Amino acid sequence: GENVEQHPSTLSVQEGDSAVIKCTYSDSASNYFPWYKQELGKRPQLIIDIRSNVGEKKDQRIAVTLNKTAKHFSLHITETQPEDSAVYFCAATANNAGNMLTFGGGTRLMVKP
Amino acid sequence: GAVVSQHPSWVICKSGTSVKIECRSLDFQATTMFWYRQFPKQSLMLMATSNEGSKATYEQGVEKDKFLINHASLTLSTLTVTSAHPEDSSFYICSAYTPTAGNQPQHFGDGTRLSIL
Repeated sequence: GENVEQHPSTLSVQEGDSAVIKCTYSDSASNYFPWYKQELGKRPQLIIDIRSNVGEKKDQRIAVTLNKTAKHFSLHITETQPEDSAVYFCAATANNAGNMLTFGGGTRLMVKP
Repeated sequence: GAVVSQHPSWVICKSGTSVKIECRSLDFQATTMFWYRQFPKQSLMLMATSNEGSKATYEQGVEKDKFLINHASLTLSTLTVTSAHPEDSSFYICSAYTPTAGNQPQHFGDGTRLSIL
């Protein structure tokens, strides 16, 4: 089955700096890669996703890149703000519609004011 | 649109009690519902996948007789933790899937924090 590794497990940045979180996956058939933000005690919220037919996607301060050959994808947050502090999870699935997600271990991002 | 309601949000009960958690898709029909468990500072771990009208598929290591899943309709799935013990204390989250609801494939409930004394 799919295995998703996520690094780093914790990340502390100064407000205004950029943050990068990286994930690798094992199943070459995976073709959908969402990123979730989870605040303490709350549901995961989809913040951005990418499908295997594109290499990069951007939404304001958030971007995701995908390297299918190397089987890794990354989340980039620019101009970080204190409200970006949360746990971020990457995920992957071999079903293009997002069925059966396998999650990475999570990254606790702390943005210091 | 694509709202998933999960109840209760918080349960505290004595060891040996059975607890039922409901997951409802409010404005769409979910072909599949997923149940996850999340321990503190850990990731979401898939427990089981349920399709309406059929038996749930459990992940390796998840006891099907302890975690009973019923998916009686396209809008409701329930997870019953039978004879709960302190080690079952966790955050349980459901999600509902349909290819036509919204632009994200899985829609998560708010989660249920289960504390077994």
